[in-house]
Amino acid sequence: AQTVTQSQPEMSVQEAETVTLSCTYDTSESNYYLFWYKQPPSRQMILVIRQEAYKQQNATENRFSVNFQKAAKSFSLKISDSQLGDTAMYFCAFMKHEGGADGLTFGKGTHLIIQP
Amino acid sequence: GAGVSQSPSNKVTEKGKDVELRCDPISGHTALYWYRQSLGQGLEFLIYFQGNSAPDKSGLPSDRFSAERTGGSVSTLTIQRTQQEDSAVYLCASSLVAGNSPLHFGNGTRLTVT
Repeated sequence: AQTVTQSQPEMSVQEAETVTLSCTYDTSESNYYLFWYKQPPSRQMILVIRQEAYKQQNATENRFSVNFQKAAKSFSLKISDSQLGDTAMYFCAFMKHEGGADGLTFGKGTHLIIQP
Repeated sequence: GAGVSQSPSNKVTEKGKDVELRCDPISGHTALYWYRQSLGQGLEFLIYFQGNSAPDKSGLPSDRFSAERTGGSVSTLTIQRTQQEDSAVYLCASSLVAGNSPLHFGNGTRLTVT
């Protein structure tokens, strides 16, 4: 079984600052996917960024980028030029390559607050 | 519709009653998942469907919980004899295939058992 750990229950930064959310995971799988999901108050889980474990290059998506350290089993999310709309719960998630049973294994989340 | 649709959005029920939650996945998505999110917690996996079959029911917390999916599309999650600890947000997600496709989530059903 996989486990995902997010050690920061809550973070608060000023608008326009850069913030990094941490995530570590434990697995015996060699091929898998990692995700960051955002959950605003509307409750809908929105995919922010995705990383395939076999790719060494860190994924980027506009202001969002990851620092994927496979050997350390670390997958942090960096948000640059943070905006008020980035305020939300952020969940790190793990999926085995074949997906299916187990689906996604989620961390407990980090509540990110962007202050004006 | 364009996204995963869940109904009702909110449900308040008395302890001991049965409830049925509905999920309408994105058209063409073969994999469907149910999760439970309790206050301040991450997402707890409940059940996964591939087509109409549920190869993994291991996440269902008790025999009061059941789920079905018909026609490879709509799924219903039924909770019998609801208890206060069942209060949570129930999220449904679908993906094109199992594995190598991201999950698309609905807005969830907030269930409150009084």
